[in-house]
Amino acid sequence: AQRVTQPEKLLSVFKGAPVELKCNYSYSGSPELFWYVQYSRQRLQLLLRHISRESIKGFTADLNKGETSFHLKKPFAQEEDSAMYYCALSGGFKTIFGAGTRLFVKA
Amino acid sequence: DSGVTQTPKHLITATGQRVTLRCSPRSGDLSVYWYQQSLDQGLQFLIQYYNGEERAKGNILERFSAQQFPDLHSELNLSSLELGDSALYFCASSTGAGNTIYFGEGSWLTVV
Repeated sequence: AQRVTQPEKLLSVFKGAPVELKCNYSYSGSPELFWYVQYSRQRLQLLLRHISRESIKGFTADLNKGETSFHLKKPFAQEEDSAMYYCALSGGFKTIFGAGTRLFVKA
Repeated sequence: DSGVTQTPKHLITATGQRVTLRCSPRSGDLSVYWYQQSLDQGLQFLIQYYNGEERAKGNILERFSAQQFPDLHSELNLSSLELGDSALYFCASSTGAGNTIYFGEGSWLTVV
């Protein structure tokens, strides 16, 4: 069965501190993995996907197939990074999302 | 602007009633997804259509149904509404499985 787990509902860090949002997945095949972000009063939008291997707004995510993880990282958090972050897995025809982690970056 | 349009933006209705939420996908996208977002349950996948055919089903209640029309727009029908159905309902579209999903702004449903 497909499953995406984001263990932290809320993550609070100080500006300039490193941040890591955890995502673990369960899927029997080779999944496509994504991170989506929802800023206050805005729609969900793609932040990055693993096949692109790119850094968006300073965020990166590495797919670890052995640990079935796709953690999102940023070395220096900014206040504008405060948002809701969702990890998503696309397998077959379904795309499912984790419960989301609210990141709060304090000044 | 993602190009995905949802109507209505806000809807207040009474328990037991029926509502229809409408979605127009991005131009060229054949896949339409419906998600329910509530405070306590996060983003729940409801159902997906591809070029008019149902392709995947998630946690969609029997009181809910959806369809995708030949012009690719989609409707989500919610009936016998209960207080717990109050949520933000998102429509999203993509070119196909495994591709980036583009979300609409959502339809806020309040059941009173």
